[in-house]
Formats: sequence, structure tokens, C-alpha cells
Amino acid sequence: AQTVTQSQPEMSVQEAETVTLSCTYDTSESDYYLFWYKQPPSRQMILVIRQEAYKQQNATENRFSVNFQKAAKSFSLKISDSQLGDAAMYFCAYRSGNTGKLIFGQGTTLQVKP
Amino acid sequence: NAGVTQTPKFRILKIGQSMTLQCTQDMNHNYMYWYRQDPGMGLKLIYYSVGAGITDKGEVPNGYNVSRSTTEDFPLRLELAAPSQTSVYFCASSNGQSPSPLHFGNGTRLTVT
Repeated sequence: AQTVTQSQPEMSVQEAETVTLSCTYDTSESDYYLFWYKQPPSRQMILVIRQEAYKQQNATENRFSVNFQKAAKSFSLKISDSQLGDAAMYFCAYRSGNTGKLIFGQGTTLQVKP
Repeated sequence: NAGVTQTPKFRILKIGQSMTLQCTQDMNHNYMYWYRQDPGMGLKLIYYSVGAGITDKGEVPNGYNVSRSTTEDFPLRLELAAPSQTSVYFCASSNGQSPSPLHFGNGTRLTVT
């Protein structure tokens, strides 16, 4: 069975600085997709970034980028120029390309200090 | 477009009661999911479906049942509610193509006392 692990329950960053959130996963599949979602206090789930496993190039969306290390099964999220609005809970997620099953990690709460 | 609609928004159940959480989407998505989120925790997959007539267990299926008779609807049934089922429940859907994102409903806050 696949698993997703986020080992940092809480992180904090100074406004305008850079922070990296860690995510590791375990799978025997070769076809899968990885995601980072943001959940602010409103509980709404917001897609931050996504990565296809077959793509070697790391995905980037504005201030958000990932470091996808397929062999190490690692998928970390880097947030550059952190803003107060980035404060939220961040979830790493894995979706099987074979079954469609989509699971989440435990989450990392990010605090942004002014 | 309404997106993913969940009802009810809130519900209080007594131990042993049953209820159905409704989820419907109008985006013609094949994939639908039910998650529960306990306070301060991540989302745990209860059941999912990749198309009408097809359902499969997730990480925490015990105490729940689902059906998928149409593409649009994916109800979650709680039988014999227990305090451990107190949680926020999210329904989500995606079209299943490539890394298509999940579209989430607004959640149902369920309390079992």
C-alpha cells in the first residue's frame, strides 16, 4: 500500500524568506502523480502545485516550486518570498495512476512571521 | 457551475443513529472521493470511486458504506454512528485525466454524542 509522510508538524518562516516543506512517499508503482494542497483556516482545499512522476523536470508555479527526487521518493515544496497569506496547513498528496486512489500526508502547519 | 455540493453542512447524531452524507458534482467527473479530517490532522481516505458502479475502500472504511449509481452522486452512509466518527467530512472529485486537481466540497461537520 502507498503511504505519504510529512515529518514536520509545524514550520515557521519570516516574511519574505524561503521555507521548504518535506514530504516522502512509499510506492511500488511507476505511474503516479504528486500534489501539494494548501488549507487555510477556512478549511477550503487549494491546489498549490502538481507533478507527474514521469517528468524529471521539477514543477514551478510562481513562488512555489518542488524538488522531486524520484529515486529517494521525496517531494518537497519550496516557498520563496513568503507572504502572510501563505500561512496555512499544507498537505502532500499521492494519486495512483493505476487505481485513482488519492491519499494525503499528515500535514504541516506553516506560520509566517511579519 | 455548482462544482461539488455536500449536504448537510452540520449534523449532530446520537450514538447508534444512521445517516447519509450527500455529495453531488456537476462537472462530469469520473473520480470521486470521501475523506474525513479530524481536528488538526490530515485527510484520511474513506472510500473512492473511479466511475459509476465502481467503488473501493480507502484507508479508513470501517463503519461506512458508499454507492455510485450515477456519475454525479456519491453518497456516504454511516451505520450505527459512534463518537469516533465525529469529524469533518469532505467529498471531492476529479476527471481522472493526467494530474487533474481535486475539486472539494465545503465539508460536513458531524458530531456524534
